[in-house]
Amino acid sequence: DADVTQTPRNRITKTGKRIMLECSQTKGHDRMYWYRQDPGLGLRLIYYSFDVKDINKGEISDGYSVSRQAQAKFSLSLESAIPNQTALYFCATSDVGGPNEKLFFGSGTQLSVL
Amino acid sequence: QKEVEQDPGPLSVPEGAIVSLNCTYSNSAFQYFMWYRQYSRKGPELLMYTYSSGNKEDGRFTAQVDKSSKYISLFIRDSQPSDSATYLCAMMHSGGGADGLTFGKGTHLIIQP
Repeated sequence: DADVTQTPRNRITKTGKRIMLECSQTKGHDRMYWYRQDPGLGLRLIYYSFDVKDINKGEISDGYSVSRQAQAKFSLSLESAIPNQTALYFCATSDVGGPNEKLFFGSGTQLSVL
Repeated sequence: QKEVEQDPGPLSVPEGAIVSLNCTYSNSAFQYFMWYRQYSRKGPELLMYTYSSGNKEDGRFTAQVDKSSKYISLFIRDSQPSDSATYLCAMMHSGGGADGLTFGKGTHLIIQP
């Protein structure tokens, strides 16, 4: 089984709909991240959490919200989806912070907003 | 100017060739450098990590950092079709963590059998 699991793998939705992307991990890591990946733009950080009570905005948090339900679960929500939120979304975890921090990624959710 | 520049490719080479992948950066505060490999429809996985100028070798892979030129490279020797993937450079400043990680756009590499 994958250490970092993202559901769903693919999602097609319509403009204005609220959707949730889920991430769960069995690595026992405290730190969790949500990224989006767009062709020509690379990986950009949306939100991150260092523990259950800690939520931080990343580079591109507008239009998104997150919930850290437990150490192992970190969900990303699009309150009212718009077409430019069409992207590949990745959840990642890490165990230690600082310069030695290494990220472990899930397999991604491909989201299409029509 | 983007903080990290990386040619998106695609870069196509025959099996067995030496591959050179490169990134340039403009922020002299970057002190830690990584290479991630990403297969199609998979998440990136850490391949190499280095923090000093010079070379670091791991099997067929060599990471090279030149801080004076703000230039990093990843060399792959005896390239294999299984090396076909997108390679992302990433870097962070001293004292930073993954929340301060800046990624390049990735170079799509194709190894022809």
